Amino acid sequence: DIVMIQSPESLAVSLGERATINCKSNQSVLSTSNNKNYMGWYQQKPGHPPKLLIYWASLRDTGVPDRFSGSGSGTDFTLTISSLQAEDVAVYYCQQYYTTTWTFGQGTKVELK
Amino acid sequence: QVQLVQSAAEVKKPGASVKVSCKTSGYTFTTYGVSWVRQAPGQGLEWMGWIRPYNGDTKYAQKFQGRVTMTTDTSTTTASMELRNLRSDDTAVYFCARAYVLRFPFDYWGQGTLVTVSS
Repeated sequence: DIVMIQSPESLAVSLGERATINCKSNQSVLSTSNNKNYMGWYQQKPGHPPKLLIYWASLRDTGVPDRFSGSGSGTDFTLTISSLQAEDVAVYYCQQYYTTTWTFGQGTKVELK
Repeated sequence: QVQLVQSAAEVKKPGASVKVSCKTSGYTFTTYGVSWVRQAPGQGLEWMGWIRPYNGDTKYAQKFQGRVTMTTDTSTTTASMELRNLRSDDTAVYFCARAYVLRFPFDYWGQGTLVTVSS
């Protein structure tokens, strides 16, 4: 299975400041046949299921605010929240779907400073 | 609108089995696959397996092979996951989630079902 490692495990950010979360996979999730990165990002708030934010590494799901952006390719990916809002306090997970066995990163907790 | 509504919380003894259901609506059931993901208390997300309602094809995580069975009922647009020989470390919230096919992200999730395994 592909192993996903997120960093940092947690971070505290002031309102309106930028939050950056990294995710690294132990093998590439870039398909050479269609040039797509099989990478997604999810947000999970306490007591709720995860919510898809980003897919194909950089596409925002319907209704996701544009302060959320995804970047990267191959084995290194980043989720950026450009201007943190109070409602963004949550745990964020990366996920690869390159193989037929999905795997997640261990999660990054974003808190208010 | 797309909805996945799961069955209520369960308490089971070690060695027992549990079956969690996921009633779907708002889309063509046979067009999308359903995955099951679990989350132990305070822990991360763990993928368990996937089923394609169109033909019943399944893909299970190796960790759960032989202990899990996923099924669907197209007449009620319901997916189910049965986990056998429960242990205390199976205590977790179990989620169903929709994915178009294998190698696609999960775009809709059920609300989760807490399964507690305790003697």
